[in-house]
Amino acid sequence: AQSVTQPDIHITVSEGASLELRCNYSYGATPYLFWYVQSPGQGLQLLLKYFSGDTLVQGIKGFEAEFKRSQSSFNLRKPSVHWSDAAEYFCAVGAAGTASKLTFGTGTRLQVTL
Amino acid sequence: GAVVSQHPSRVICKSGTSVKIECRSLDFQATTMFWYRQFPKKSLMLMATSNEGSKATYEQGVEKDKFLINHASLTLSTLTVTSAHPEDSSFYICSSKDRGNYEQYFGPGTRLTVT
Repeated sequence: AQSVTQPDIHITVSEGASLELRCNYSYGATPYLFWYVQSPGQGLQLLLKYFSGDTLVQGIKGFEAEFKRSQSSFNLRKPSVHWSDAAEYFCAVGAAGTASKLTFGTGTRLQVTL
Repeated sequence: GAVVSQHPSRVICKSGTSVKIECRSLDFQATTMFWYRQFPKKSLMLMATSNEGSKATYEQGVEKDKFLINHASLTLSTLTVTSAHPEDSSFYICSSKDRGNYEQYFGPGTRLTVT
């Protein structure tokens, strides 16, 4: 069974500082990996995804993530955080080939201080 | 990008009544739709997967007679919470994908409050 672990429940960073949100997955084959962002009371917006190829993927809003198979990780990074980035971030894994059934991590709440 | 809408965005109903939530894919044909439930400050839990014209496949622990899912067309899926109780209060989110596309597109969610 696939699973996702986001070890950090809550992270606070200062505006302009760099950010890294951790995500570790468990899956028996090559996974499809996703990062989503959710603002309060809203649905999910896809930030970026990894299916294959270059292990460093670029997403929207200046985010990037790196797939490291040896560490079963897919950490999300941003070099300079903006106050508008404050939200809940979810990492998800899906089965390669279809990604139909997504398993989500428990989320990391990002707070940005001015 | 693909747009998925949900209606209503918020609904309050009395205990014992039923409520229907609609999920529509506005600019693509959704061969598969998913229904998730999200508890406060928690992750999304997949409730069921529905393919157009077929019966929904429910996840373990989800009562199919309680949460009725209909995927009658390629652009519309509905979730009906029957005989709602306060413990059914939650944020319900749908997502859609079309054939051959690996990405799911999420709706904005529906906040259900049962009094």
